[in-house]
Amino acid sequence: GDSVTQMEGPVTLSEEACLTINCTYTATGYPSLFWYVQYPGEGLQLLLKATKADDKGSNKGFEATYRKETTSFHLEKGSVQVSDSAVYFCALSEWRQAGTALIFGKGTTLSVSS
Amino acid sequence: DAMVIQNPRYQVTQFGKPVTLSCSQTLNHNVMYWYQQKSSQAPKLLFHYYDKDFNNEADTPDNFQSRRPNTSFCFLDIRSPGLGDAAMYLCATSSGQGDNEKLFFGSGTQLSVL
Repeated sequence: GDSVTQMEGPVTLSEEACLTINCTYTATGYPSLFWYVQYPGEGLQLLLKATKADDKGSNKGFEATYRKETTSFHLEKGSVQVSDSAVYFCALSEWRQAGTALIFGKGTTLSVSS
Repeated sequence: DAMVIQNPRYQVTQFGKPVTLSCSQTLNHNVMYWYQQKSSQAPKLLFHYYDKDFNNEADTPDNFQSRRPNTSFCFLDIRSPGLGDAAMYLCATSSGQGDNEKLFFGSGTQLSVL
């Protein structure tokens, strides 16, 4: 079945450092790709998405580009802030008989210090 | 304002004692999902409802059941919890129409089995 692989964490950075969290996927079709973020004590929330090859999703300074040739969707940010500390999940969509399901990676914990 | 609400935030049960987790939503979404997330693992889809249509994942144990009495509420029943069922249980919703791939998550219920 379809699957998502994320880089192992935790990732520890100083404020204003550059961030890259690697994500690769395996899928039989052409899924949509997502990054979800989970702040402490909260539920997962959508950070950004891309629905087809070469699309770039962006939000709050984060970006990710759907690369079909490398089956990747790496998350990047040029300058992280302490408030970006959270767990980041890469996910892909998979059709079900009714509705769409998301297949998640294991999550990568980001810790940013001032 | 919370749109997907899970209660309780923490639930402790005894080995073999049935337990029910609840989820409610104010979004009037057609689709409701239950995910299981064990420590350091990816959230795993257990089942979902599209309106009243129940869709079970092939590898979801029979020990897990679900009920959706109306659009707003969905319950996860664990008939005989084992130690291996200790996890965070996440409820999510989506509209099922248009941008149906965006999921809205609750904060989760952390289940402990003693």
